Amino acid sequence: GDSVTQMEGPVTLSEEAFLTINCTYTATGYPSLFWYVQYPGEGLQLLLKATKADDKGSNKGFEATYRKETTSFHLEKGSVQVSDSAVYFCALPNTGNQFYFGTGTSLTVIP
Amino acid sequence: GAGVSQSPRYKVAKRGQDVALRCDPISGHVSLFWYQQALGQGPEFLTYFQNEAQLDKSGLPSDRFFAERPEGSVSTLKIQRTQQEDSAVYLCASSLPGFYGYTFGSGTRLTVV
Repeated sequence: GDSVTQMEGPVTLSEEAFLTINCTYTATGYPSLFWYVQYPGEGLQLLLKATKADDKGSNKGFEATYRKETTSFHLEKGSVQVSDSAVYFCALPNTGNQFYFGTGTSLTVIP
Repeated sequence: GAGVSQSPRYKVAKRGQDVALRCDPISGHVSLFWYQQALGQGPEFLTYFQNEAQLDKSGLPSDRFFAERPEGSVSTLKIQRTQQEDSAVYLCASSLPGFYGYTFGSGTRLTVV
């Protein structure tokens, strides 16, 4: 069945460091792919998405490129800030309008 | 409303107690979803409504879990005879068709003691 596999955390980085969080997926067809972020005590917020192969989603300095050949959608940011500390989830929708989520990667950015 | 509202934010229940969790979706969103998020895990789908019709309840873990949306707006997730393994954050989301405007609430954290 459809699923996403996400890099396990936790990840701790210094401010201004480069971030990569890996995500690979298994799916029939070519679904849209999503990254969600969950700040402490809050619900999930859409961070970015890509709807087809080779699309790049971007928001708040984060980017992810939909790679069909490697079935990946890795999240990157060139220079993280303390305010980026959160849990990040890769997500894959199914035909029923529900999401399959990865297990989440906790990011802590230290000044 | 401006966002998806869930209440209560926190609920502590004694084992065996019944609980009811409320979700108030964004006005006009026909689709409503419930997810369960265990500690350190990603959310897992429980059930889906389109208007008042429950179209998918395949994720409900047992017959102790029941959800309703009688007028196609507010939804209630009820858990009967709570068990410790029910402790989790319960997230509600609403959307227009096709994932457009898919928005999560802040969740209800249920702790069963």
